[in-house]
Amino acid sequence: GQQLNQSPQSMFIQEGEDVSMNCTSSSIFNTWLWYKQDPGEGPVLLIALYKAGELTSNGRLTAQFGITRKDSFLNISASIPSDVGIYFCAGQKGAQKLVFGQGTRLTINP
Amino acid sequence: EPEVTQTPSHQVTQMGQEVILRCVPISNHLYFYWYRQILGQKVEFLVSFYNNEISEKSEIFDDQFSVERPDGSNFTLKIRSTKLEDSAMYFCASESLENYGYTFGSGTRLTVV
Repeated sequence: GQQLNQSPQSMFIQEGEDVSMNCTSSSIFNTWLWYKQDPGEGPVLLIALYKAGELTSNGRLTAQFGITRKDSFLNISASIPSDVGIYFCAGQKGAQKLVFGQGTRLTINP
Repeated sequence: EPEVTQTPSHQVTQMGQEVILRCVPISNHLYFYWYRQILGQKVEFLVSFYNNEISEKSEIFDDQFSVERPDGSNFTLKIRSTKLEDSAMYFCASESLENYGYTFGSGTRLTVV
């Protein structure tokens, strides 16, 4: 079945550092999404990417949709304590199910 | 900001019992979904629902599972005879036609003992 490979699985960084994580897939998706999940909560949408090659920013977050539609990265600049959580990439084909990556757990040392 | 509301937030049930998880999607959304997340693992698709019928379901969504939209606002997931391995967070989500990118609810933590 469709699978997204997300890396790294976990990151331990100092406050203020930049963060980068990525996802790759063997399948083409029309839409790539990045979500953040806090403990005991549902995923919250951070950035949605609709066009191949698209680079989109949301505050300190920047994400790009790969030209091949099979990969995406998410960068967080100048990390702060509230960035702690699990980040998931997800691919979507039209108005259909999301296929999620395994998640990147981000831990920040103050 | 419109929200997807799920109740209860936590449910404990005995193995073999039936449970119904409830969701109120965003009012003008047309696509509805259930996902689950076993502790420490990724979010997995269960079922999608559109135009009052199931449009897609995963292998996880076997005969023990069913979904219903009994009225114009609620969307429910029923597990007929719960098993220990059904213990997970269950997330409801809804989506409009205009913007892809679901809105997820906060989830129901189901614990089967």
